[in-house]
Amino acid sequence: GNSVTQMEGPVTLSEEAFLTINCTYTATGYPSLFWYVQYPGEGLQLLLKATKADDKGSNKGFEATYRKETTSFHLEKGSVQVSDSAVYFCALSRLQGGSEKLVFGKGTKLTVNP
Amino acid sequence: KAGVTQTPRYLIKTRGQQVTLSCSPISGHRSVSWYQQTPGQGLQFLFEYFSETQRNKGNFPGRFSGRQFSNSRSEMNVSTLELGDSALYLCASSLASGAGADTQYFGPGTRLTVL
Repeated sequence: GNSVTQMEGPVTLSEEAFLTINCTYTATGYPSLFWYVQYPGEGLQLLLKATKADDKGSNKGFEATYRKETTSFHLEKGSVQVSDSAVYFCALSRLQGGSEKLVFGKGTKLTVNP
Repeated sequence: KAGVTQTPRYLIKTRGQQVTLSCSPISGHRSVSWYQQTPGQGLQFLFEYFSETQRNKGNFPGRFSGRQFSNSRSEMNVSTLELGDSALYLCASSLASGAGADTQYFGPGTRLTVL
């Protein structure tokens, strides 16, 4: 079946440090891949996405590249800020029964200290 | 454009009761999906509605049900509540254009506590 595995953390970094959160997936065919972010007490916000191999999604300084050969979609940011503290979810989407169903990783909690 | 809205934001119920949660999608979005988020199980797909029809269903008992109205607004219902139903229930909407690679946009969630 379809599944997503991401490093569970928690991850604690100092401001301006480099961030990598690993994400690998198992899926048949060619899923779309997403990173969502959840701030305390809120729902999920779409951070970035990629829909085919070698696509790079980017937003707010975050980047992730769809690597089909390694079935990975690692999230990176060159210089994190305190405001980036949140839980990050990697997800894949596959067409099933005529609809796109999201399958999520377990989430990685990031804390950035000043 | 307004985002996905969910009401109520917080609910406290007791075991055995039933509850109804509401979701209004982004204007123009035709698909609504529901997810349950718990610390132990993470984010799990409940069901998806499109044009008032359930197109997809997750692995949840029949106590969990939903519906969608002609204006795309959706409700989910949980009957005979159990302690384990305590969770954040998230609604997401998407265009469902049929072109694939659809993006789901989430609401703030309804926090349900079962006592």
